[in-house]
Amino acid sequence: DAKTTQPNSMESNEEEPVHLPCNHSTISGTDYIHWYRQLPSQGPEYVIHGLTSNVNNRMASLAIAEDRKSSTLILHRATLRDAAVYYCILRDGVNFNKFYFGSGTKLNVKP
Amino acid sequence: NAGVTQTPKFQVLKTGQSMTLQCAQDMNHEYMSWYRQDPGMGLRLIHYSVGAGITDQGEVPNGYNVSRSTTEDFPLRLLSAAPSQTSVYFCASSYELDRREEQYFGPGTRLTVT
Repeated sequence: DAKTTQPNSMESNEEEPVHLPCNHSTISGTDYIHWYRQLPSQGPEYVIHGLTSNVNNRMASLAIAEDRKSSTLILHRATLRDAAVYYCILRDGVNFNKFYFGSGTKLNVKP
Repeated sequence: NAGVTQTPKFQVLKTGQSMTLQCAQDMNHEYMSWYRQDPGMGLRLIHYSVGAGITDQGEVPNGYNVSRSTTEDFPLRLLSAAPSQTSVYFCASSYELDRREEQYFGPGTRLTVT
């Protein structure tokens, strides 16, 4: 099973960029990299996903290393509402139902 | 669209009681799944379904049953509640079972078993 490693917690100042790292050294060629976040007392919320190329959407950007063994979720201007647990997940290219959430990174945003 | 809805929001059970956690989605999604989340941990997959009439086990299926008689509904049954099943339960859905698909999660059911 492909697994990811993330720092337990990170802190950021409001309106500054945040770079959330994720290591996935055992990733296979067909695994997609997904990011979700979970605000306090809520269900997880999709953020972004990618395969090889960097991706942008209205919420964030995803930068994927050339060897795909790591990726970084970038929040361009953190707000207090971005304080959440961020999960980096590998979506297995063979067993699609295996959608493993690890313990994630708890992001604290300071005003 | 209401998205993914779950009822109840909170539930307290005594050991040995049974109950059903309800999950419904109005997005015509084929794939639905149940997760549990224990304090300080990520989500673990309990059961999933790729369409009406088709279900399969996830990572931690023991003590839970599911059925999928319609596309919209995917209830989770606790047969005989145990304190180890105290957790927050999330239902999720996606258009299909594909590694590119975004999953939509419900707000969760907080279950306490005494």
